[in-house]
Amino acid sequence: AQTVTQSQPEMSVQEAETVTLSCTYDTSENNYYLFWYKQPPSRQMILVIRQEAYKQQNATENRFSVNFQKAAKSFSLKISDSQLGDTAMYFCAFMKQIAGTALIFGKGTTLSVSS
Amino acid sequence: GAVVSQHPSRVICKSGTSVKIECRSLDFQATTMFWYRQFPKKSLMLMATSNEGSKATYEQGVEKDKFLINHASLTLSTLTVTSAHPEDSSFYICSARERRGSYNEQFFGPGTRLTVL
Repeated sequence: AQTVTQSQPEMSVQEAETVTLSCTYDTSENNYYLFWYKQPPSRQMILVIRQEAYKQQNATENRFSVNFQKAAKSFSLKISDSQLGDTAMYFCAFMKQIAGTALIFGKGTTLSVSS
Repeated sequence: GAVVSQHPSRVICKSGTSVKIECRSLDFQATTMFWYRQFPKKSLMLMATSNEGSKATYEQGVEKDKFLINHASLTLSTLTVTSAHPEDSSFYICSARERRGSYNEQFFGPGTRLTVL
């Protein structure tokens, strides 16, 4: 079975600073996807970034980037130039590369950005 | 981007009644839909996976007779909480998967807050 672990229940950062959220996972699969989702107070799940396991290059989306270490099964999210709107709960998620399989979520990290 | 809607967004019901929550993919056909449950400040817990025209697959520990899932079409799945009790109070989120090339994009509904009195 696959598991996703987020060891930081809460984090805080000042505006304009950089913060890194940690995620580790366990799987015996070789082909899979990893994701970071953001859930703001509205509770709408928003995809932040996606990484295909077969790609060595780390994914980036504007201020968001990941550090994907496949051998170490580590998938951290770096948020640069943090903004107040980044305040949310962030979930790391795993999905097998098989049609019809569900996302498996970590427990989440609550990020607070202050001015 | 693709949109998934849920109705109702909030519902309050009396203990013992049944409540139906609808999940619709508005501008795409969903090969698979998923139902999650989320407690305050907790993670999303997968309840069941639903494929159009077939029976839902429930996760271990989820009572299929209590949480009835019907996937009537490629754009609609419903979750019925039967004989609801206060412990069923929670936030329920659906997601729908669209096939885009080799990758199955997944989109989330806005969620339904259920309160059972």
